[in-house]
Amino acid sequence: AQSVTQLGSHVSVSEGALVLLRCNYSSSVPPYLFWYVQYPNQGLQLLLKYTSAATLVKGINGFEAEFKKSETSFHLTKPSAHMSDAAEYFCAVSGEGNDMRFGAGTRLTVKP
Amino acid sequence: GAVVSQHPSWVICKSGTSVKIECRSLDFQATTMFWYRQFPKQSLMLMATSNEGSKATYEQGVEKDKFLINHASLTLSTLTVTSAHPEDSSFYICSASEGLSTEAFFGQGTRLTVV
Repeated sequence: AQSVTQLGSHVSVSEGALVLLRCNYSSSVPPYLFWYVQYPNQGLQLLLKYTSAATLVKGINGFEAEFKKSETSFHLTKPSAHMSDAAEYFCAVSGEGNDMRFGAGTRLTVKP
Repeated sequence: GAVVSQHPSWVICKSGTSVKIECRSLDFQATTMFWYRQFPKQSLMLMATSNEGSKATYEQGVEKDKFLINHASLTLSTLTVTSAHPEDSSFYICSASEGLSTEAFFGQGTRLTVV
């Protein structure tokens, strides 16, 4: 069985500051890991995914995440926050069946 | 990228009635489709997984007689909420994947309000 834990339900940063959203996973098989962003009343937009290739994954909108097996982590980062980054972010894990299990979500607030 | 279309995007229905939500893959064959529900300010919870032509597999605690899932073709799955009650009000999201693909693509979601 797979699961993810997102540390921090709410993260607040200033515009231009580093964004760090934390995600730890648990999986009995090599995991596929994902980060999604969700704006109010909308579906999910894929930011990036890890599928056992490079451990440092670059995504859209300047986001990237690093898969660290030793720490069972897949934290999401962005060097400089933009106001438009304010949204809900979900980490997800899937095994071979593509049935994703989502973390509780982290709401990112960006202050001007 | 692959596109999944969900319809309607929002629906209001009376308590006791049934409502159907459609999920379509527009440019690929969705061999597997997933249905999730999301309560306000909460995460997505997997309700069921359906493979084309087979009965859906429901997650523990999800009533299969209340949430009817049909996946009769490679491009369409439907979720019917039967005898809806206000506590069924939620955001329902589908996703679809093709074959051995490592990624599932999400629809834009349906907000169901039962009054």
